[in-house]
Amino acid sequence: NAGVTQTPKFQVLKTGQSMTLQCAQDMNHEYMSWYRQDPGMGLRLIHYSVGAGITDQGEVPNGYNVSRSTTEDFPLRLLSAAPSQTSVYFCASSSTGSAILTEAFFGQGTRLTVV
Amino acid sequence: GESVGLHLPTLSVQEGDNSIINCAYSNSASDYFIWYKQESGKGPQFIIDIRSNMDKRQGQRVTVLLNKTVKHLSLQIAATQPGDSAVYFCAENRKESTLTFGKGTMLLVSP
Repeated sequence: NAGVTQTPKFQVLKTGQSMTLQCAQDMNHEYMSWYRQDPGMGLRLIHYSVGAGITDQGEVPNGYNVSRSTTEDFPLRLLSAAPSQTSVYFCASSSTGSAILTEAFFGQGTRLTVV
Repeated sequence: GESVGLHLPTLSVQEGDNSIINCAYSNSASDYFIWYKQESGKGPQFIIDIRSNMDKRQGQRVTVLLNKTVKHLSLQIAATQPGDSAVYFCAENRKESTLTFGKGTMLLVSP
């Protein structure tokens, strides 16, 4: 079972570069989200989506864009990378079969370094 | 402000002991709580969850207790093993399918 797949696992960017972190899930989950995790801190929500075509901002959305054209994919775009965006990024998905949230399944993470 | 937090950043136990990891939350409207385990270099892994209409839920070697009166959540791990060593996060669902995470507690299990 693939679950939630994130690519790449590691990435180094120069300040000002743009890139897209990929996230795909094969569980037909409606809900997907992106978190960042910094040392000594819990996960902070960047953006989330409650279904194809619908996205919304989380706690720390600045500098990131998302889109949800399909149920399976939820890419995260860094428009102009900054050193402050050095972090580990996690994508998650969850289902709401009866409109009740269930646990989120996480990908393995993308470790991003901006120099 | 509203937050999910943990009382102890690091908990060290001996193998075979019972471990208790605590979490405080401040949003009384939260209706769903989850405990996650995160091993080094991996994504968070679901352990157990509990809804606000319950005060206790048991899994395999784990028990989650919810005290809504004092807004407190705890994770109890029975007969802790070295493989339980990880960072444990509590999370609450405040809005739609978003989760708000605490900062985490490191559990260190000595053989």
